[in-house]
Amino acid sequence: GNSVTQMEGPVTLSEEAFLTINCTYTATGYPSLFWYVQYPGEGLQLLLKATKADDKGSNKGFEATYRKETTSFHLEKGSVQVSDSAVYFCALSPPSGGSYIPTFGRGTSLIVHP
Amino acid sequence: KAGVTQTPRYLIKTRGQQVTLSCSPISGHRSVSWYQQTPGQGLQFLFEYFSETQRNKGNFPGRFSGRQFSNSRSEMNVSTLELGDSALYLCASSLERSGGANYGYTFGSGTRLTVV
Repeated sequence: GNSVTQMEGPVTLSEEAFLTINCTYTATGYPSLFWYVQYPGEGLQLLLKATKADDKGSNKGFEATYRKETTSFHLEKGSVQVSDSAVYFCALSPPSGGSYIPTFGRGTSLIVHP
Repeated sequence: KAGVTQTPRYLIKTRGQQVTLSCSPISGHRSVSWYQQTPGQGLQFLFEYFSETQRNKGNFPGRFSGRQFSNSRSEMNVSTLELGDSALYLCASSLERSGGANYGYTFGSGTRLTVV
């Protein structure tokens, strides 16, 4: 079956540091890959996505590249802010029309200190 | 445009009671999925409805059920509540089935259920 593995958290950084959160996946076919972010007391928000190999998703300074050869979709940001403190989820969705359940990672907590 | 609306935001129930949670998806979205989120288990898929039909179901007991109306609004029901049902219940809507391969999900803010 499909699976998503994220690095364990929490990840603790100082403001303006470089961020990487690792995500690797196992899937049949060619899924789409997503990063979602959850701020305290809220639901998940779609941060960025990539629907095919070598696509780069980007939003709000965050980037991730769909690497089929390494089955990875690592999240990066060049300079984090305190407001980026949240839990980040990597996820995959099957191709449209399938009857598969989307798969989420366990989430990685990011804490950014001033 | 309006986001995904879940009501109520907070709920406290007693063991053995039943509860109904409501979700109004984004206008035009026909797929509604429900997730249970707990610190120990993370996000667990409950079920997905598309055009009023349950399309997928997660590994939860029959006490958990749901339905979708013709306007795409959805409800989920939990009967005979147990302490372990305490969780954040998230509703997610999408233009497509199975989590939206092209568009992804839009989540609501969730209903925090506490069973005492």
